[in-house]
Amino acid sequence: AQSVTQPDIHITVSEGASLELRCNYSYGATPYLFWYVQSPGQGLQLLLKYFSGDTLVQGIKGFEAEFKRSQSSFNLRKPSVHWSDAAEYFCAVGTPGGGNKLTFGTGTQLKVEL
Amino acid sequence: DTAVSQTPKYLVTQMGNDKSIKCEQNLGHDTMYWYKQDSKKFLKIMFSYNNKELIINETVPNRFSPKSPDKAHLNLHINSLELGDSAVYFCASSQFSGTGTGTQYFGPGTRLLVL
Repeated sequence: AQSVTQPDIHITVSEGASLELRCNYSYGATPYLFWYVQSPGQGLQLLLKYFSGDTLVQGIKGFEAEFKRSQSSFNLRKPSVHWSDAAEYFCAVGTPGGGNKLTFGTGTQLKVEL
Repeated sequence: DTAVSQTPKYLVTQMGNDKSIKCEQNLGHDTMYWYKQDSKKFLKIMFSYNNKELIINETVPNRFSPKSPDKAHLNLHINSLELGDSAVYFCASSQFSGTGTGTQYFGPGTRLLVL
């Protein structure tokens, strides 16, 4: 069965600093990978996804993620964080033929210092 | 025009009661899901319906029963509520893909508190 690990429970960065949120997955083949963001009291919004092709994926709000098969990772990055990026970030994995089932990581809470 | 909507947004009830949460999507998707997010923010799938047919049924107590009257609606009925049922319940929808690539769109969540 697939699994997702987000090693960092909390991360604090200063506004304007760069950001990298880590995500590692466990799956025997190439999975489908997603990053979602959850603002306080809100639902989940899709930031970006990787299915195949170019391993560097661009998403909304200036986010990007890079799929690295050798490291089983799909880290999320942003060159310059804005205070409005403070939220909970979830990495998720879906598998081919998995009935569209998503398995989520435990999330990383991002705080932005002004 | 909300894509995936849930009612109610908040639900406070006593142990032992029966309650329902409703979900509707206007995206034209054929697959809908229920997820449970616990107090530690861990998000886990409970059920999935494709064209009103149950396709994912994780290990969920029998007290939880999803019902899909049509492909735009997926309701969740919970019998004999317990303290441990307190959580945020999210509905989601997607267009089904046999390859597992359907992107899921989430509703705003229903915050259930069992006293």
